[in-house]
Amino acid sequence: AQKITQTQPGMFVQEKEAVTLDCTYDTSDPSYGLFWYKQPSSGEMIFLIYQGSYDQQNATEGRYSLNFQKARKSANLVISASQLGDSAMYFCAMRERVDTGRRALTFGSGTRLQVQP
Amino acid sequence: NAGVTQTPKFRILKIGQSMTLQCAQDMNHNYMYWYRQDPGMGLKLIYYSVGAGITDKGEVPNGYNVSRSTTEDFPLRLELAAPSQTSVYFCASSYSETSTDTQYFGPGTRLTVL
Repeated sequence: AQKITQTQPGMFVQEKEAVTLDCTYDTSDPSYGLFWYKQPSSGEMIFLIYQGSYDQQNATEGRYSLNFQKARKSANLVISASQLGDSAMYFCAMRERVDTGRRALTFGSGTRLQVQP
Repeated sequence: NAGVTQTPKFRILKIGQSMTLQCAQDMNHNYMYWYRQDPGMGLKLIYYSVGAGITDKGEVPNGYNVSRSTTEDFPLRLELAAPSQTSVYFCASSYSETSTDTQYFGPGTRLTVL
């Protein structure tokens, strides 16, 4: 079963508008972390935002916020006031507890966001 | 503070050739990882290391080897390159292995095997 699902292969948004990128996850571990990374056309992986499973409040980092709905197992990324430089691939990833034996990040397949002027 | 660095950025190999992808970090992180990213996909773990001298397999280790002689360096060795190893390779590091800890990535190495 897919542990991280990103159902939007591609998204378009107008400059200065907000956009939500969807991410659902699957785990039975009560302790986990959820991450979003940005991958521009240059190829590097840029960390954007993190949400812990026990965090009471949704994470925010500048124009990025994470809409965390634990019961629904969703961790959607919201980008406010989109800029042309936001055009990139966005990956949702999860990290579970070490003692589960799963030490690495599990990535979704990504969403390609294109910001239009 | 350079973070995580990788060399080379690009490489073309012939089938059966070998090469080593270099990775170094200057953040004094104990935990280091090698991922591969196939076209249109997310990243998959090849190998990881929890400290100098300690390495273990990830999800897709076949055809690769690693070593970790120092905290800073974590090279990935490809033996007998195959077209299926055409991919982008990312090295990453983190301070700890807890679920709350961020992994920081290098810029990647784009490898083509012909």
